[in-house]
Amino acid sequence: SQTIHQWPATLVQPVGSPLSLECTVEGTSNPNLYWYRQAAGRGLQLLFYSVGIGQISSEVPQNLSASRPQDRQFILSSKKLLLSDSGFYLCAWNPGLGGYTFGSGTRLTVV
Amino acid sequence: GQQLNQSPQSMFIQEGEDVSMNCTSSSIFNTWLWYKQDPGEGPVLLIALYKAGELTSNGRLTAQFGITRKDSFLNISASIPSDVGIYFCAGQLPNSGGSNYKLTFGKGTLLTVNP
Repeated sequence: SQTIHQWPATLVQPVGSPLSLECTVEGTSNPNLYWYRQAAGRGLQLLFYSVGIGQISSEVPQNLSASRPQDRQFILSSKKLLLSDSGFYLCAWNPGLGGYTFGSGTRLTVV
Repeated sequence: GQQLNQSPQSMFIQEGEDVSMNCTSSSIFNTWLWYKQDPGEGPVLLIALYKAGELTSNGRLTAQFGITRKDSFLNISASIPSDVGIYFCAGQLPNSGGSNYKLTFGKGTLLTVNP
């Protein structure tokens, strides 16, 4: 079966520290992968998406970067976190016409 | 970018009441989707609509793809406490298919159900 894993579930990081969030998909190959951020429990903002290994499209300028080192692995990173980077980060993949399947999310608090 | 206008932003209802929410856009969409997000979790797909005018039910949920392909509604009948959460509409634009598949999301409707 196809599953998506995202970790960690929660993270508290000081301002200026680095960040690495990981997302992996099982049971499929060459998926489209997406990183979203959700602030204050409301709207979903698309940050990055990837159609293949090493292919990253950025939707908004920001303090974050993404990488896809393997077919089913998508990583969200930052060299130095800002307070404004706090939020709920969601990874998703596209299994077909039926929209996205989301991971369970990472709650990031920058202090 | 393209906008999906979702309303209402929030709703407070009593258990047993019916709920209706909708999304509109000035753009035509190929696909409309409705998601529900429980607190602290990722959104989960409820209903997917693929054809203009399509009416689809999933248990107590009913959704319709507008005939103009620019709007959709979601109805929940006989609400229960576990219906609490954020409901998102999402649409796929005609130029965002295939390897460039991307969804455009509404800003969500926060539903609170009082027991």
